[in-house]
Amino acid sequence: GQQLNQSPQSMFIQEGEDVSMNCTSSSIFNTWLWYKQDPGEGPVLLIALYKAGELTSNGRLTAQFGITRKDSFLNISASIPSDVGIYFCAGGSSNTGKLIFGQGTTLQVKP
Amino acid sequence: DAGITQSPRYKITETGRQVTLMCHQTWSHSYMFWYRQDLGHGLRLIYYSAAADITDKGEVPDGYVVSRSKTENFPLTLESATRSQTSVYFCASTERGGYSGSPLHFGNGTRLTVT
Repeated sequence: GQQLNQSPQSMFIQEGEDVSMNCTSSSIFNTWLWYKQDPGEGPVLLIALYKAGELTSNGRLTAQFGITRKDSFLNISASIPSDVGIYFCAGGSSNTGKLIFGQGTTLQVKP
Repeated sequence: DAGITQSPRYKITETGRQVTLMCHQTWSHSYMFWYRQDLGHGLRLIYYSAAADITDKGEVPDGYVVSRSKTENFPLTLESATRSQTSVYFCASTERGGYSGSPLHFGNGTRLTVT
């Protein structure tokens, strides 16, 4: 079945540093989504991508839909302590009708 | 208040017991989902529903039962709980199918421990 490989699994960075994480798959997706989960809460949508090559920003966050439609990345610039949490990528396929989540990237930011 | 609520937030039960986790949404979203979150596995889909009285299996449905008699409610039942079902369970809803990119709105989760 379809699987997403999300990396890195965890990151521990200094406040002010930039962060990059990505998801790759052997399958093609029609949509790529990035969610953030704060401790003790459910995931919240950060960015949605709908076209191959699309580059979308949301404040300090930038995400891109890979040109091959098999990957996506998320960048966070100038990290701050409230960026702490688990970031999930998700790929949506109209062929299967499924939304598949990556394993998550746990981000810790040291003030 | 509008939103999606799960209950209980925490539950401890014994092996073999039946447990029902509740999920209620006030948006009248057609689609509802149940996920479980485990370390190293991310979010895995258990069951989903496209509308009232329509349900379908996800990636890990074994040991779970769902129903959707009303649009706003989507309870998840563990018929005979096992230790492997210890997890954090999230309910989610959306207007269109999740694959379409329509944002999933998640509840705050139920942390279930099976002893």
